[in-house]
Amino acid sequence: IAGITQAPTSQILAAGRRMTLRCTQDMRHNAMYWYRQDLGLGLRLIHYSNTAGTTGKGEVPDGYSVSRANTDDFPLTLASAVPSQTSVYFCASSEGGLSPLHFGNGTRLTVT
Amino acid sequence: LAKTTQPISMDSYEGQEVNITCSHNNIATNDYITWYQQFPSQGPRFIIQGYKTKVTNEVASLFIPADRKSSTLSLPRVSLSDTAVYYCLVGPPSGGSYIPTFGRGTSLIVHP
Repeated sequence: IAGITQAPTSQILAAGRRMTLRCTQDMRHNAMYWYRQDLGLGLRLIHYSNTAGTTGKGEVPDGYSVSRANTDDFPLTLASAVPSQTSVYFCASSEGGLSPLHFGNGTRLTVT
Repeated sequence: LAKTTQPISMDSYEGQEVNITCSHNNIATNDYITWYQQFPSQGPRFIIQGYKTKVTNEVASLFIPADRKSSTLSLPRVSLSDTAVYYCLVGPPSGGSYIPTFGRGTSLIVHP
């Protein structure tokens, strides 16, 4: 079934450790996005990529980095995790603009 | 970029019709209006999109007045399973530099 695959599903991480959240799509969508969701704050955009080879910063980019080496993959890296990065992370893709976004099932990350 | 405003929360009962209104006073001429639904522990999913007047699908109806400064998502005869967060987004249908921003959405709770 076509869609977005995120890994891992959940992770407990010690503060200061490096972590990469994986996101892969098989729909050949140009645009990909990373959001974090925290109780009472809704979905906030971390980073995005409008096409392979380009990335941009969203509302809350500090402490995160992304790369877009190809169309399908859009990993999100926490270089040195901090407790405030405890959240649920969602990856999404679309054809761009307001074309419907397709979301993954999320990664629940706990930084201790 | 068109800013949207929607109620933080709503309550309803099974079998009732629910209308969630989104204000977007500075909507641009080529902007569309899109609504997403998010169940607990899942990523948002696209439910409906429209440009003007009325759009209906198997899930909901979207009413857009002539001035397009607001839109109303209508859920007929809700059930407990319609308990979710609903997000209103406004932007161009494809391409360009538009970045989807979700905000906090409207948390709908359906009571027995």
